Amino acid sequence: AQRVTQPEKLLSVFKGAPVELKCNYSYSGSPELFWYVQYSRQRLQLLLRHISRESIKGFTADLNKGETSFHLKKPFAQEEDSAMYYCALSGDSSNTGKLIFGQGTTLQVKP
Amino acid sequence: NAGVTQTPKFRVLKTGQSMTLLCAQDMNHEYMYWYRQDPGMGLRLIHYSVGEGTTAKGEVPDGYNVSRLKKQNFLLGLESAAPSQTSVYFCASSPGTRFFAHANSGANVLTFGAGSRLTVL
Repeated sequence: AQRVTQPEKLLSVFKGAPVELKCNYSYSGSPELFWYVQYSRQRLQLLLRHISRESIKGFTADLNKGETSFHLKKPFAQEEDSAMYYCALSGDSSNTGKLIFGQGTTLQVKP
Repeated sequence: NAGVTQTPKFRVLKTGQSMTLLCAQDMNHEYMYWYRQDPGMGLRLIHYSVGEGTTAKGEVPDGYNVSRLKKQNFLLGLESAAPSQTSVYFCASSPGTRFFAHANSGANVLTFGAGSRLTVL
């Protein structure tokens, strides 16, 4: 079964501290993984995809197939990073594009 | 270009009442989805559609029905609302993987609506 697990409901850090939001997945094939973010009173939006290998707003995420993880990292957190973050998996061999989301982690960056 | 528009934004229902949530997209996307967001549960897929006239069940389809009569619209219906259906509902759309062969094409990138908050008393 496909599953995405985000073990932390809340992650609270001080401004300037490093951030790591954990994401583990369960899927036997080749997954496509995403991080979506929801800022307060805004729509859920794509932050980054593993296939793009981008750094967006200072965030990076590396797919580790051996550990089945896709942790989101940022070396120095900013207050504007405070938001809900969702890890998502597309492991759909029938090409329906549907995503399986994790439970979400609220990141709180304190001044 | 409005993207994905959901109506209504808020609604309060009594148990047993019916209602329809409307999702409209103006990006000519093939695929559309309805998710519900609940605390501690993340987003769970209710139903989805891979093209006009097609629908399929997601993870939590019970108590909901959907229709995709026009490519740009995806309707979510609650026939007999229950308190367990109190949630925030999100519609999303994507271009569709069948039409994009390149990995970086964005075929699986979802564009979300603003959400519809439904309370069932």
